[in-house]
Amino acid sequence: EAGVTQFPSHSVIEKGQTVTLRCDPISGHDNLYWYRRVMGKEIKFLLHFVKESKQDESGMPNNRFLAERTGGTYSTLKVQPAELEDSGVYFCASSNTGQGGTGELFFGEGSRLTVL
Amino acid sequence: GQSLEQPSEVTAVEGAIVQINCTYQTSGFYGLSWYQQHDGGAPTFLSYNALDGLEETGRFSSFLSRSDSYGYLLLQELQMKDSASYFCAGSTSGGFKTIFGAGTRLFVKA
Repeated sequence: EAGVTQFPSHSVIEKGQTVTLRCDPISGHDNLYWYRRVMGKEIKFLLHFVKESKQDESGMPNNRFLAERTGGTYSTLKVQPAELEDSGVYFCASSNTGQGGTGELFFGEGSRLTVL
Repeated sequence: GQSLEQPSEVTAVEGAIVQINCTYQTSGFYGLSWYQQHDGGAPTFLSYNALDGLEETGRFSSFLSRSDSYGYLLLQELQMKDSASYFCAGSTSGGFKTIFGAGTRLFVKA
């Protein structure tokens, strides 16, 4: 069974440009999460999808960030326009509805974003 | 607010036992989980405690005390491959939202 996959693994862009990150969760997982880690800090929650619906987007930093999950399968996270402070590793994770109560999230390897 | 505190770094020798502590302030707390992350890799699930007490999985054990808002991860018979970052994470919202600490970097020396 394929795990959570993320693309690209690394992106270097200039301030003001746009970047779109993609996440393919484990097949059949209704819950999809986006997290971000800045060097040395916590893995910070950004938002949670249940199928195609945004369940909780309380962690999204501002309106430069837009997440979508059309059809309840893969998800994209767009940053437009990117700022220096957006640099970090963006992780996607998924879980089954039944696993939400056990705390088990399945993570991808992350997309490292560097904004110059 | 919601937060989890854990030490930034721990160093131990191969074969030893190490304990990584975690204290939390999380509204609607549901359970405490632990994740391991090797450099450049994906965080991987290690354990989950919903109830007070000790959960054991091989060389790893995890403990939770709800009354103290405290938990720990215990690693026994340390191996070099255990060098990694370890994150405690609190589940809220019925278990569907997970908040992470900043991670503890474990260095295992020969």
